Amino acid sequence: DSGVTQTPKHLITATGQRVTLRCSPRSGDLSVYWYQQSLDQGLQFLIQYYNGEERAKGNILERFSAQQFPDLHSELNLSSLELGDSALYFCASSTRTGSSYEQYFGPGTRLTVT
Amino acid sequence: AQTVTQSQPEMSVQEAETVTLSCTYDTSESNYYLFWYKQPPSRQMILVIRQEAYKQQNATENRFSVNFQKAAKSFSLKISDSQLGDTAMYFCAFHSGTYKYIFGTGTRLKVLA
Repeated sequence: DSGVTQTPKHLITATGQRVTLRCSPRSGDLSVYWYQQSLDQGLQFLIQYYNGEERAKGNILERFSAQQFPDLHSELNLSSLELGDSALYFCASSTRTGSSYEQYFGPGTRLTVT
Repeated sequence: AQTVTQSQPEMSVQEAETVTLSCTYDTSESNYYLFWYKQPPSRQMILVIRQEAYKQQNATENRFSVNFQKAAKSFSLKISDSQLGDTAMYFCAFHSGTYKYIFGTGTRLKVLA
């Protein structure tokens, strides 16, 4: 168990709908990252937050948005869903441990758009 | 821009044998961190091993070790005494201490009984 939690585990919805994915980082971690992994693909970095502020953006569509709340949990909002948005969405949190950065992943939310 | 390349899409190894997965990267940074993550069929991403670039000594975690060649920008993962539970997708990742982690495309490893 990495200590990062994600809800829900599975989500099935229809095209055109909007969904919200939730992530709680490990205790003490200030950074949250969101990734998208389509079937048999690598990880696509979407966005990073640090202590409530957006720090980096990757290949995130305009239909997607995210935020990090004062209690450090984060939400990823996906709207106007398309079939191609079906994927595994990971949240990860990181901290600086000694002189190293380590990133720990949640179990993922599997989104199926029908 | 930093890049990470894993040139072996798939590999297989006999149980109890040793296998090496390759990873090369490109960066102009002098200090950075490298990681190997394992993704078994459960799809959970698991940190296997990490290496700080300023450390010359190669990292080791039980049966997993790395061969870090900073000048060549190479970071290979060696798995000794391979076990069936090592069957997974393995991702190499780079982090320079700024914001993003850069992941390679992965190597699918199958351990054969």
